[in-house]
Amino acid sequence: KAGVTQTPRYLIKTRGQQVTLSCSPISGHRSVSWYQQTPGQGLQFLFEYFSETQRNKGNFPGRFSGRQFSNSRSEMNVSTLELGDSALYLCASSLTGENSPLHFGNGTRLTVT
Amino acid sequence: GQQVMQIPQYQHVQEGEDFTTYCNSSTTLSNIQWYKQRPGGHPVFLIQLVKSGEVKKQKRLTFQFGEAKKNSSLHITATQTTDVGTYFCAVDFNKFYFGSGTKLNVKP
Repeated sequence: KAGVTQTPRYLIKTRGQQVTLSCSPISGHRSVSWYQQTPGQGLQFLFEYFSETQRNKGNFPGRFSGRQFSNSRSEMNVSTLELGDSALYLCASSLTGENSPLHFGNGTRLTVT
Repeated sequence: GQQVMQIPQYQHVQEGEDFTTYCNSSTTLSNIQWYKQRPGGHPVFLIQLVKSGEVKKQKRLTFQFGEAKKNSSLHITATQTTDVGTYFCAVDFNKFYFGSGTKLNVKP
């Protein structure tokens, strides 16, 4: 079974630009969640999607948004990038999202200059 | 908000020594999960604990869930260089909260 696939692996953007990250979950997994990982703040929950609906949302500004498609693939968008958005963005899929193990992708390393 | 505290932040051990990381919550947990992230890698699920007082073993790793379901620990016996990485606990309060992680360094 293929694992969680995230694209691209690396991105360099400048302040003010916007970016879209993609995540393909493990086949059969309906829940996709996104996390931001930085050295200072650790792993922080962004949002979770299940069956194309946002089920939970973390404490991030509205510049961070996402969506999930009917095939469970998910995208995350960050608009008006700030230097502080530089981070590793991790996507995780799970069967149901509720108390089930998370399977992470390799992440997208975003650098904002 | 809901949080889980994890200690220590760092642990440096000589190969062959034991290692323990702890997670504590002020709220009773329904379950707790543990993950390992190797340097440059992504978190990998290790185990989920559900029952009060539960103890589970995976080779040299022993996971415990407290009787009150408010704390948990991960103990590694006789560390090896392959154990290097950051160990996270994670709890689900409708959204996953990860502990700050314990970074383990093992000197050969």
